[in-house]
Amino acid sequence: DADVTQTPRNRITKTGKRIMLECSQTKGHDRMYWYRQDPGLGLRLIYYSFDVKDINKGEISDGYSVSRQAQAKFSLSLESAIPNQTALYFCATSAQGQGGNEQFFGPGTRLTVL
Amino acid sequence: QKEVEQNSGPLSVPEGAIASLNCTYSDRGSQSFFWYRQYSGKSPELIMSIYSNGDKEDGRFTAQLNKASQYVSLLIRDSQPSDSATYLCAVRLRAGTALIFGKGTTLSVSS
Repeated sequence: DADVTQTPRNRITKTGKRIMLECSQTKGHDRMYWYRQDPGLGLRLIYYSFDVKDINKGEISDGYSVSRQAQAKFSLSLESAIPNQTALYFCATSAQGQGGNEQFFGPGTRLTVL
Repeated sequence: QKEVEQNSGPLSVPEGAIASLNCTYSDRGSQSFFWYRQYSGKSPELIMSIYSNGDKEDGRFTAQLNKASQYVSLLIRDSQPSDSATYLCAVRLRAGTALIFGKGTTLSVSS
């Protein structure tokens, strides 16, 4: 089945460490997104990419960076993790065209920064 | 600031009843509207999309869109305990932009 996968699924790290979260998809979609979810705050967009050469900041990009290594791969990095980056992180994908923003989500990465 | 607003709930309904979930959005130019269901600790799952004014039905789910009043709703008929989840409303402002999500409404269906 075409799918969206995220690695790792859970990660505990310490303040100041560099962390990379990875997302891969076999859906053939060209658009990819990173969101974080916090209790009571909903899903907030961090970065998104509409193709390999296109990277856009979302609502809360400070403290994060991304890399679109290929159409199927989109990585999120925390250069120096801090405790308020503890959250559930989701990658999502979508295709162009009619209905193109029907986004499909990966299973999520639960990140804890101590 | 583009906003999507939902009542956080919880919305409690008995099994077999109709659950009505509502969402309002601030940008009158918004083009596409989506409902996602999210079980605790799981990822959001797309259940409905709607692009034109009126109703769209899919099984027990009906999405309703009223662009003039800037609201979109989701009706769940014959609610089941398995429908207990958080329902997220999402809006796309225009082509080439990402979705903006509301904070979600928690639905609890009691048997």
